[in-house]
Amino acid sequence: GAVVSQHPSRVICKSGTSVKIECRSLDFQATTMFWYRQFPKQSLMLMATSNEGSKATYEQGVEKDKFLINHASLTLSTLTVTSAHPEDSSFYICSARHRDRNYNEQFFGPGTRLTVL
Amino acid sequence: GENVEQHPSTLSVQEGDSAVIKCTYSDSASNYFPWYKQELGKRPQLIIDIRSNVGEKKDQRIAVTLNKTAKHFSLHITETQPEDSAVYFCAASIRNKLVFGAGTILRVKS
Repeated sequence: GAVVSQHPSRVICKSGTSVKIECRSLDFQATTMFWYRQFPKQSLMLMATSNEGSKATYEQGVEKDKFLINHASLTLSTLTVTSAHPEDSSFYICSARHRDRNYNEQFFGPGTRLTVL
Repeated sequence: GENVEQHPSTLSVQEGDSAVIKCTYSDSASNYFPWYKQELGKRPQLIIDIRSNVGEKKDQRIAVTLNKTAKHFSLHITETQPEDSAVYFCAASIRNKLVFGAGTILRVKS
């Protein structure tokens, strides 16, 4: 159990367009979901923490108006990259915290490769 | 501030040898320390974790040690195999989120 999916796995878009990425916990309810960004040969950098039914908490330096996060249910969070630019090209990974398990353990999605032309 | 330092950044070992990766953290309130293996283009895969009430944990060829006083923890892989080659990340829980180390590229030469 504790499977997290992401959709799409890859997306290529033109500069100025918006892209939505979905993160789903398939077999458990997630009280909290996290969104990370990973540039090539770098570590995972937390962008925001998303709690079901409330506003996301963004990390310092992450523009909340550019990276819109919606966490409408205990199994779905979405990240929308608005007005994407080439510098937004990256690997976006979500994770979810299981409602009934170790408070800090996170289960990761497979990631979404975003390329902005 | 929130910080996790990881060393070395790259590590090459001969097949069958041991590999050790070390991390230090800054927040004394951290109580959960997972280690992840990540292959190119894939999600991070949890390989072992340790909580602050334990000093050592072992799972077959993988072990983790934790020194809370010194605020450092280490990953030990024994009898390394070529399929152990990947990027390894440590992380520490800091205020209900995970902060990751910079990663270690492990290459196991056969």
